[in-house]
Amino acid sequence: GENVEQHPSTLSVQEGDSAVIKCTYSDSASNYFPWYKQELGKRPQLIIDIRSNVGEKKDQRIAVTLNKTAKHFSLHITETQPEDSAVYFCAGGNNNDMRFGAGTRLTVKP
Amino acid sequence: GAGVSQSPSNKVTEKGKDVELRCDPISGHTALYWYRQSLGQGLEFLIYFQGNSAPDKSGLPSDRFSAERTGGSVSTLTIQRTQQEDSAVYLCASSRDRGAEPQHFGDGTRLSIL
Repeated sequence: GENVEQHPSTLSVQEGDSAVIKCTYSDSASNYFPWYKQELGKRPQLIIDIRSNVGEKKDQRIAVTLNKTAKHFSLHITETQPEDSAVYFCAGGNNNDMRFGAGTRLTVKP
Repeated sequence: GAGVSQSPSNKVTEKGKDVELRCDPISGHTALYWYRQSLGQGLEFLIYFQGNSAPDKSGLPSDRFSAERTGGSVSTLTIQRTQQEDSAVYLCASSRDRGAEPQHFGDGTRLSIL
């Protein structure tokens, strides 16, 4: 089955700086890669996703890149703000399986 | 329509008791998942239901845990003879498909075993 690894486990940046979170996956059949944001005490919520037929997707300050050859994908947050502080989960899968990474706790210092 | 609904939101019980947690998925979503999240930890997959197919129970930590999904909609997660290590937030999610669609999470049930 699929195995997703996520790095780093914690990340601290200064407000206005960029943050990058990286994930790798094991199953070459995986074709869908969502990212979820979980604020303290709240439910995880989808913030962006990418499918295997594209290499990059952008939505305002967040972007995701996918390298199918290397089996890794990354979340990029630019111009970080204190409200970006949360735990971010990557996930990867296909119609048969979907697995989550262990999460990255992002802290944006004002 | 409404999002994923879970009940109760909080449950405190004594060690050894049985508990039932309920999940009402988004209407029309055929895939339903249960996860366990301990404080400050990641999402531990427990069980997955897809339509009328046999559930994927590969994540259940012991035979004290079971789940069912009646009529392809509401699901109940049952923990028998609860232990203190069962204390966690239990999250339910649903999606239109297993691996190729976003999962929509409920607010979870915070379970505390005394």
